[in-house]
Amino acid sequence: DQQVKQNSPSLSVQEGRISILNCDYTNSMFDYFLWYKKYPAEGPTFLISISSIKDKNEDGRFTVFLNKSAKHLSLHIVPSQPGDSAVYFCAASAGGSQGNLIFGKGTKLSVKP
Amino acid sequence: DTAVSQTPKYLVTQMGNDKSIKCEQNLGHDTMYWYKQDSKKFLKIMFSYNNKELIINETVPNRFSPKSPDKAHLNLHINSLELGDSAVYFCASSPRGSGGGSPLFFGPGTRLTVL
Repeated sequence: DQQVKQNSPSLSVQEGRISILNCDYTNSMFDYFLWYKKYPAEGPTFLISISSIKDKNEDGRFTVFLNKSAKHLSLHIVPSQPGDSAVYFCAASAGGSQGNLIFGKGTKLSVKP
Repeated sequence: DTAVSQTPKYLVTQMGNDKSIKCEQNLGHDTMYWYKQDSKKFLKIMFSYNNKELIINETVPNRFSPKSPDKAHLNLHINSLELGDSAVYFCASSPRGSGGGSPLFFGPGTRLTVL
């Protein structure tokens, strides 16, 4: 039972354009959402997070939007750069500091020059 | 300086063998984890330790035994390896538990192949 779903396994975008990566979740108890970026043969690295009490969080070129009623979040990258090409994982947690991080399956982003 | 390091990076072994993967973090974090990324690419938590105490133990065969000699180390020992154990294993750490928005810092992963 996937509690965090990333339904697009891959996404291809032209350099300079916007990349939008989507994530859906089923557990209404999730109160934090995080995005991780992963290059081949490396571990995931933390990118940006959002609390369930917010609907938007921005950090430079990266913005995460949360729609709690739709149980949906998205990561926007503007402008996209070739170095952004990686696998992006959405993750969510519930239950305070000891809650597990539940990961989605990832979306592979390719940014073409 | 590598924040979370794992050794070895690649491990190829025969079914039935026993093997260990070592993990060390120099971030001063209190909590360490083992995650498994299987062939379907899902990252799933296996264990979580806080200050050397086991906090989370997901449904993992008891052939897998974590050992935390101190706060900076969390090793994973696997007995009687099976084909289905082939995966990439990631160690991670965080200042506190992974809930509450505390991000995890991952190691580079250990690709285990069981023949």
